[in-house]
Amino acid sequence: EAQVTQNPRYLITVTGKKLTVTCSQNMNHEYMSWYRQDPGLGLRQIYYSMNVEVTDKGDVPEGYKVSRKEKRNFPLILESPSPNQTSLYFCASSPSRTGELFFGEGSRLTVL
Amino acid sequence: GEDVEQSLFLSVREGDSSVINCTYTDSSSTYLYWYKQEPGAGLQLLTYIFSNMDMKQDQRLTVLLNKKDKHLSLRIADTQTGDSAIYFCAETLNTGGFKTIFGAGTRLFVKA
Repeated sequence: EAQVTQNPRYLITVTGKKLTVTCSQNMNHEYMSWYRQDPGLGLRQIYYSMNVEVTDKGDVPEGYKVSRKEKRNFPLILESPSPNQTSLYFCASSPSRTGELFFGEGSRLTVL
Repeated sequence: GEDVEQSLFLSVREGDSSVINCTYTDSSSTYLYWYKQEPGAGLQLLTYIFSNMDMKQDQRLTVLLNKKDKHLSLRIADTQTGDSAIYFCAETLNTGGFKTIFGAGTRLFVKA
């Protein structure tokens, strides 16, 4: 089954404790992206990748890192999480730059 | 900067038509999308329209695009309780990157 898989789905952590949210897709898509969803703000792009080893900042990259060492994986790293990073995070992939986005089920992160 | 705006709430009775409106700012957008988010799930593509089209119909869904006013609408005919969800308007940008801008989402309530 074609899918985007994120882990963990739920996480409660404390300020400053490094964490990684993994994202994997099995559709051989070149394009991948991370978004955060906050009430009243919709989805805002954090980082995106257009191919292996090619990543770039989205609209809200501060406090986040990404890497793209393999085509299928695009992890999101929070080196020192802060409470303002409490949010619902979505990973998405696409077969083209302007094509349909395929979303994971989301990762709800709470930073205390 | 680029922006996509949509109203936050819409309530309709079962069997009526729903119309969700959206305005966007980037006139160079190639594609405009409607995504649906059901509770606890990621977004799924509902329909899309090319920027050179005025209208697209897909079963109960009708998308209208007014390029002059940069206005996009989604009409759902014969709305059912299963249509209750959040609907996101989105545009892809022709910036050379991989960038999709989302509206804040319209929560549709369908009353039986």
